[in-house]
Amino acid sequence: GAVVSQHPSRVICKSGTSVKIECRSLDFQATTMFWYRQFPKQSLMLMATSNEGSKATYEQGVEKDKFLINHASLTLSTLTVTSAHPEDSSFYICSARGDRNFNYGYTFGSGTRLTVV
Amino acid sequence: EDQVTQSPEALRLQEGESSSLNCSYTVSGLRGLFWYRQDPGKGPEFLFTLYSAGEEKEKERLKATLTKKESFLHITAPKPEDSATYLCAVQPNSGYALNFGKGTSLLVTP
Repeated sequence: GAVVSQHPSRVICKSGTSVKIECRSLDFQATTMFWYRQFPKQSLMLMATSNEGSKATYEQGVEKDKFLINHASLTLSTLTVTSAHPEDSSFYICSARGDRNFNYGYTFGSGTRLTVV
Repeated sequence: EDQVTQSPEALRLQEGESSSLNCSYTVSGLRGLFWYRQDPGKGPEFLFTLYSAGEEKEKERLKATLTKKESFLHITAPKPEDSATYLCAVQPNSGYALNFGKGTSLLVTP
């Protein structure tokens, strides 16, 4: 159990366009979802935390108008990168925390490789 | 401020050569310490959660231990398929988000 599906796995977009990334918990209800960003050979950096039905809480230095997070249901959260620029190219990973066993509480998606050209 | 430091950054082992990975942490109250495995281009895969000093957990060739300042991931008789980046993360009492270290990149050669 505890599967998180993230889509798409790869996306290439032109500079100035927007990209939406979806994160779904398939077999549990995700009360909280986290969005991370990872640069090559670097750690996962937390961007924001979202609770279902509430506004996301963004980490310091993360532009909330650029990285729009929606957590409209207990199984779906989306991250939209608006007006993307080459410096937004990165590996984005979501994580979902459920209301079950703590060990399953931090299940990660498979990640999305975003390339902005 | 919470800090997680992993060492070494990279480790190369011969198949069957046992070793340990280190995760040193500073946190204002530890709720849990997590170990994940990450393959290139993939999301982290859960391995262990440790909650209190003295706790140990095992899974196949991996064993994780925890003290008040650090955690070790022991790899016994590794195989090439154990090659991956191993990530350590801490969850403080103050919240739910995990704070990750930079990881140890492990390469096991035949």
